[in-house]
Amino acid sequence: GENVEQHPSTLSVQEGDSAVIKCTYSDSASNYFPWYKQELGKGPQLIIDIRSNVGEKKDQRIAVTLNKTAKHFSLHITETQPEDSAVYFCAALFTGTASKLTFGTGTRLQVTL
Amino acid sequence: SAVISQKPSRDICQRGTSLTIQCQVDSQVTMMFWYRQQPGQSLTLIATANQGSEATYESGFVIDKFPISRPNLTFSTLTVSNMSPEDSSIYLCSVTGQGLTETQYFGPGTRLLVL
Repeated sequence: GENVEQHPSTLSVQEGDSAVIKCTYSDSASNYFPWYKQELGKGPQLIIDIRSNVGEKKDQRIAVTLNKTAKHFSLHITETQPEDSAVYFCAALFTGTASKLTFGTGTRLQVTL
Repeated sequence: SAVISQKPSRDICQRGTSLTIQCQVDSQVTMMFWYRQQPGQSLTLIATANQGSEATYESGFVIDKFPISRPNLTFSTLTVSNMSPEDSSIYLCSVTGQGLTETQYFGPGTRLLVL
């Protein structure tokens, strides 16, 4: 079945450093890849997404890259700040399932001062 | 993006009882979904709430345990029936926008503890 693997499960960086989270997916026909940030006690918040016709997308300090050949995509956060501390989930939309997302296992990011 | 609210935000329930969770959206949406997030885990899709017809359940989830209603394009309910401690989770409503957009937005969640 559909599968999304996410690494690392935990990540600790110093404020100002960059953070990278990587995901791989199983269905080569997948065409939509969102990233969500979940803060403690809140629902997941969409922070950036990318479609299969694009290799990279940036939004201020956040960027996502997609390698369709290798079936992996990554979230890059630059100049990290304490408020970036949260759990991040990647997801992939698998074809034939009409907007049904499969989520990665999550990465707990801790930004230390 | 749609503004999604859920009621209740949290609850503590006794085993054997049922709880109905409401999801309200501030605009008409195409798709509504219900997810479960067990403590420290990822999101698992329970079902797609279909307007005017029975929900579509994922493997491992059944209507008798998680009955769902969706009477219109802005509202849905999920009931967790005959609860046990294993049902302690966060239950999340999500929606896609109007049209065929695949972008999903999540509500704040309902935190359920079953004793």
